[in-house]
Amino acid sequence: SYVLTQPPSVSVAPGKTASITCGGNNIGSKSVHWYQQKPGQAPTLVIYDHRDRPSGIPERFSGSNSGNTATLTISRVEAGDEADYYCQVWDSSSALFGGGTKLTVL
Amino acid sequence: EVQLVQSGAEVKKPGESLKISCKGSGYIFTNYWIVWVRQMPGKGLEWMGTIYPGDSDTTYSPSFQGHVTISADKSISTAYLQWSSLKASDTAIYYCARRVDPLGGGDSWGQGTLVTVSS
Repeated sequence: SYVLTQPPSVSVAPGKTASITCGGNNIGSKSVHWYQQKPGQAPTLVIYDHRDRPSGIPERFSGSNSGNTATLTISRVEAGDEADYYCQVWDSSSALFGGGTKLTVL
Repeated sequence: EVQLVQSGAEVKKPGESLKISCKGSGYIFTNYWIVWVRQMPGKGLEWMGTIYPGDSDTTYSPSFQGHVTISADKSISTAYLQWSSLKASDTAIYYCARRVDPLGGGDSWGQGTLVTVSS
């Protein structure tokens, strides 16, 4: 079965750039979606179809997808970006989530 | 404004049945899929299944097939997730989300329903 692999944690200083990866076999051929989940809240879609941002999501959030790795990039990180981030794809009509990455803002 | 409003927290005993709901508003309910997602305490997101309220076409994750039932009543724009016999391991937060297209992400989420199963 298809597996998505994310690093458990990423740390970044305020104002710097954070990159969160999502690995999967030939993930570059799939549409990848990214969610942000803050403690006690429901997930929020921050990137869909590799690189598109829903309305209301800051331009600081961007995505890319190629080969075996999709990447969520957060520029000029703010304290409010501290959260868990999940990647997600559809594979044979099944939704798959990565294990999640906890972003810590130092 | 698109909204998904879920039913309130539940406390149940093992073996009991339960049906939780997810009511959509601000959009044409029958035109978008509803996805159910489980989040166990301190854990990640798990897809449970998907329903298209327009024709009630339903797909289940193999991990949940046979243990839960997903349904929808389009006349009241509401989707449901139900169990006939709960287990302690069903303790989790359950989210519904709207999916725009077959390969799309969940662009709007309910607030979550906490289900606690304990004797």
